[in-house]
Amino acid sequence: AQKVTQAQTEISVVEKEDVTLDCVYETRDTTYYLFWYKQPPSGELVFLIRRNSFDEQNEISGRYSWNFQKSTSSFNFTITASQVVDSAVYFCALGGSGGSNYKLTFGKGTLLTVNP
Amino acid sequence: DTGVSQDPRHKITKRGQNVTFRCDPISEHNRLYWYRQTLGQGPEFLTYFQNEAQLEKSRLLSDRFSAERPKGSFSTLEIQRTEQGDSAMYLCASSIENSPLHFGNGTRLTVT
Repeated sequence: AQKVTQAQTEISVVEKEDVTLDCVYETRDTTYYLFWYKQPPSGELVFLIRRNSFDEQNEISGRYSWNFQKSTSSFNFTITASQVVDSAVYFCALGGSGGSNYKLTFGKGTLLTVNP
Repeated sequence: DTGVSQDPRHKITKRGQNVTFRCDPISEHNRLYWYRQTLGQGPEFLTYFQNEAQLEKSRLLSDRFSAERPKGSFSTLEIQRTEQGDSAMYLCASSIENSPLHFGNGTRLTVT
């Protein structure tokens, strides 16, 4: 069975601080996808990144960066110089077997509050 | 790209009533998905369509739930004889083949 654990339920930071959201996953599949989604108060899940299990390169996109470590089954997400608009619930998710991404297993999410 | 559209945004119903939700995917997206999200939890997979074919259903989808995508475009999710435990946010998503899922704003169901 697949499982995603986001140990941090809530994080509160002051604007401009860096913050890292942790994600640990469990799967028996050798090929899989990992995702991060953002859910602002409006409710819509916004896609941030998808990472293939074969690609362990870290990725940076603006203030966002992701650290994928297969050895520790972790896919952590760092926001640099956080802003109030980053306040949202962030979900880590694991794609289905065989590398398909239609049947995602989500973690419980981390509520990030960025205070001015 | 107008995004995934869901209707209604909110639905309040009494226990035992039937409800139907609609999802309009991004045009040309051949795959459509339904997820359910309860308070404080991540979304849970319910079902998945490729064009008009329903290819997988979760065990969460009891026989009171039915989903259709008759022409491979919009989809409906019906819940019959609603129960209080059905109260949740119902999320629809779409994709082209195996591209990342794009989610709608969801329909929040409250069963009283």
